[in-house]
Formats: sequence, structure tokens, C-alpha cells
Amino acid sequence: GDSVTQMEGPVTLSEEAFLTINCTYTATGYPSLFWYVQYPGEGLQLLLKATKADDKGSNKGFEATYRKETTSFHLEKGSVQVSDSAVYFCALSLNTGGFKTIFGAGTRLFVKA
Amino acid sequence: DVKVTQSSRYLVKRTGEKVFLECVQDMDHENMFWYRQDPGLGLRLIYFSYDVKMKEKGDIPEGYSVSREKKERFSLILESASTNQTSMYLCASISASAGLNTEAFFGQGTRLTVV
Repeated sequence: GDSVTQMEGPVTLSEEAFLTINCTYTATGYPSLFWYVQYPGEGLQLLLKATKADDKGSNKGFEATYRKETTSFHLEKGSVQVSDSAVYFCALSLNTGGFKTIFGAGTRLFVKA
Repeated sequence: DVKVTQSSRYLVKRTGEKVFLECVQDMDHENMFWYRQDPGLGLRLIYFSYDVKMKEKGDIPEGYSVSREKKERFSLILESASTNQTSMYLCASISASAGLNTEAFFGQGTRLTVV
């Protein structure tokens, strides 16, 4: 079935370090791919998205490229800040008669000053 | 500003009580979803609805039911609350007309504790 697998956390980094959070997916159709972020005590909000192969989504210094050949959508940021501490969810969305979104388990990121 | 509003941020209920979690969206979205979020398990889909009075079971529907009498409102019902339903509950909505631009909009979450 359709699924999303992302690296387990927590991930702990020092401020200004490079971040990679891996995400791979399995889908029967041609999904759209998303990264959502959840700050403490809040619901999820969209961080970035890509709707077709080789598209790069970017926002707030984060980037991810839709790689169809490797079924991956890894999240990267060149220099993390303490304010980036949150839980990050990789997700795919498919049109199955209505739109269904499937989420990964989430990766908690801690950034130390 | 688009908005999905859940009626409560925090709820404490007793075992066996009937619990209603309400979600309202102001974006005229057709699709609405209820997830529960537990540490290490991510978001798991409980129920979803593609239209008024329509509902579909998600991955973990046992112990829950839903109601969608109006397009903007999607209610999650715990018929007889149990301690294993203590969790964070998240409501989301998606536009059916957005095509591939199918971003989900989330409420702020309801943290339910069943004692």
C-alpha cells in the first residue's frame, strides 16, 4: 500500500549545523509530496511541497527535491537555528476519488544554541 | 487567512463518557479528516469525509464515529471513552478543486485525556 518512511529521531544539532532528514515513499499513483512542521503546542503547518518529478520545494531556508527515480523527498537546511526546533513530517497526497494524505511518523529536531 | 478551528485545546473526560470533538473550517473544503497523533506513531487516520453526509473509515476507526451534517463541520465522536484513547487529535481539511496543490490545513489540535 501507499506509505511514507522517514528517519527516526530525535535529531539533535548545534546552531548553524547542516540538516538532512530523509524521507522515502511508496505510492501506486503519482503523488504530490510535502513537508509539514509542527511547533510545540501547535497543529501542523505546511513547510514546502513539490508536485512533480525534479521539482524543488523551498521555504524558510529549507529545501527538498522530488526524486521519482529514488522515490525520495529529503529535507535539507544549510544552517539550522534554535527556532527550527520542531517535529517535521513528510507526507504524500494522492487523488483516490478524494484527496488522501499519508504522513510519515515524524522526526523531532532539537537545535542547541 | 484560512482557518481550521477545533473546539477545545484540552479536554479531560472520564472512562465511559461520550465525547464530541468538533472541527470547523472556513475554506469551503470538501475533504475533511480526523487524525490522532501519538509519540513514535506519527499521524494515524481515523476517519475522513469527501462530502456532506459521506464518511470513510481510515486506518484506526475502532471506537470512533463521525458526523458531517454541514460542509464546514466535521465531528469526531468517542462513543464510550477509554484510557487508550488518550491522545492528541488533529483535524484537517483539503480542497477537492486544488488539483495537485493538495495542501492540508490543520487545526491546532485537541489534547484529550481519559481518566
